[in-house]
Amino acid sequence: DTAVSQTPKYLVTQMGNDKSIKCEQNLGHDTMYWYKQDSKKFLKIMFSYNNKELIINETVPNRFSPKSPDKAHLNLHINSLELGDSAVYFCASSPSLAGATRIQETQYFGPGTRLLVL
Amino acid sequence: GNSVTQMEGPVTLSEEAFLTINCTYTATGYPSLFWYVQYPGEGLQLLLKATKADDKGSNKGFEATYRKETTSFHLEKGSVQVSDSAVYFCALSDRAAGNKLTFGGGTRVLVKP
Repeated sequence: DTAVSQTPKYLVTQMGNDKSIKCEQNLGHDTMYWYKQDSKKFLKIMFSYNNKELIINETVPNRFSPKSPDKAHLNLHINSLELGDSAVYFCASSPSLAGATRIQETQYFGPGTRLLVL
Repeated sequence: GNSVTQMEGPVTLSEEAFLTINCTYTATGYPSLFWYVQYPGEGLQLLLKATKADDKGSNKGFEATYRKETTSFHLEKGSVQVSDSAVYFCALSDRAAGNKLTFGGGTRVLVKP
């Protein structure tokens, strides 16, 4: 069974459209994240949620809105897509934040969603 | 703020050669350190980690030692295989910042038969 899954794997769309990427983890983790990997492979965090509560919100355009319906899911909705949004988006999860031991910091990544905006 | 610097690639090696990828970091706190690997067309996989000074992480023949005095976490493998061709990322996690992972720029490794 896949631990962290993302759908879709590939997404090709036109500028100006609105799209969503879904992430699910079956590891029982409390914390989930979204990262963006640009064309030069540089990875940067966008958001994180702990038990459905927003913890990290980096400098990301407000066209990007994460939603966590429960602690096993963290979806990313993007409004008015722009060419510069083309990237690979990775979801990740880790066991816990509150009272966490060092071991619980480890993040497990999904396979990525390759978004191409035309 | 936190940052991770790793050597730029690509690194091209022959099979059975010795691999070293340098990684240094700056951090305000006391981070845990990680190496992730990304095989072509795939997502990130945790390769190894170390959570305190002088810890050695190891997996699949790769090793890295957490050196607080030199703020380094260099990745090594004694004998690489073609299947080790991938992009390797050094990263640190900051518990004070919500466990945010800060990544280095990645090092592409190409192993030729």
